Amino acid sequence: EAQVTQNPRYLITVTGKKLTVTCSQNMNHEYMSWYRQDPGLGLRQIYYSMNVEVTDKGDVPEGYKVSRKEKRNFPLILESPSPNQTSLYFCASSLYWTNEKLFFGSGTQLSVL
Amino acid sequence: RKEVEQDPGPFNVPEGATVAFNCTYSNSASQSFFWYRQDCRKEPKLLMSVYSSGNEDGRFTAQLNRASQYISLLIRDSKLSDSATYLCVVVSGGYQKVTFGTGTKLQVIP
Repeated sequence: EAQVTQNPRYLITVTGKKLTVTCSQNMNHEYMSWYRQDPGLGLRQIYYSMNVEVTDKGDVPEGYKVSRKEKRNFPLILESPSPNQTSLYFCASSLYWTNEKLFFGSGTQLSVL
Repeated sequence: RKEVEQDPGPFNVPEGATVAFNCTYSNSASQSFFWYRQDCRKEPKLLMSVYSSGNEDGRFTAQLNRASQYISLLIRDSKLSDSATYLCVVVSGGYQKVTFGTGTKLQVIP
């Protein structure tokens, strides 16, 4: 089944403890991206990647890192999480980076205490 | 001014009603437009793309007005299952810049 897999679904952590949210797609998509969703603010783009080893900042990249060493994986890394990073996170992919349908993962609810 | 603006609603409509949502965008160079549907805190799913010529998919009709910089979504004969939040998405520079509206909540009432 074609899908974008995000893990974990829920995560509670403490300030400053490094964490990684994984994202994997099995559709051979070139484009992958991360979003966070907060009440009243909608989904905001954190980082995106147009292909392996090609990543760039979105609208809200501060406090996040990403890597794209393989086409299928695009992990989101929080080196030192803070409470303002408590949010619902979505990973998404599309076949190419030119205006294609986005396929979303099921989301990760992160709480930083 | 927000790059993409939507009326947050909620729109409470009876079954069978016709309801319309608008979304305005500020970047005149925007290239692509979409409507996504999101059920409570689940992943967004593509509802339809939006073209200048207008497009229809069953009970759903989407329209783009580049001159006035807005897109619209019309839902006819509303069903209970249409209850969700509808997200307007505007894309520029390929997928380098993807901007979501904050969503319009629709509640269809029996």
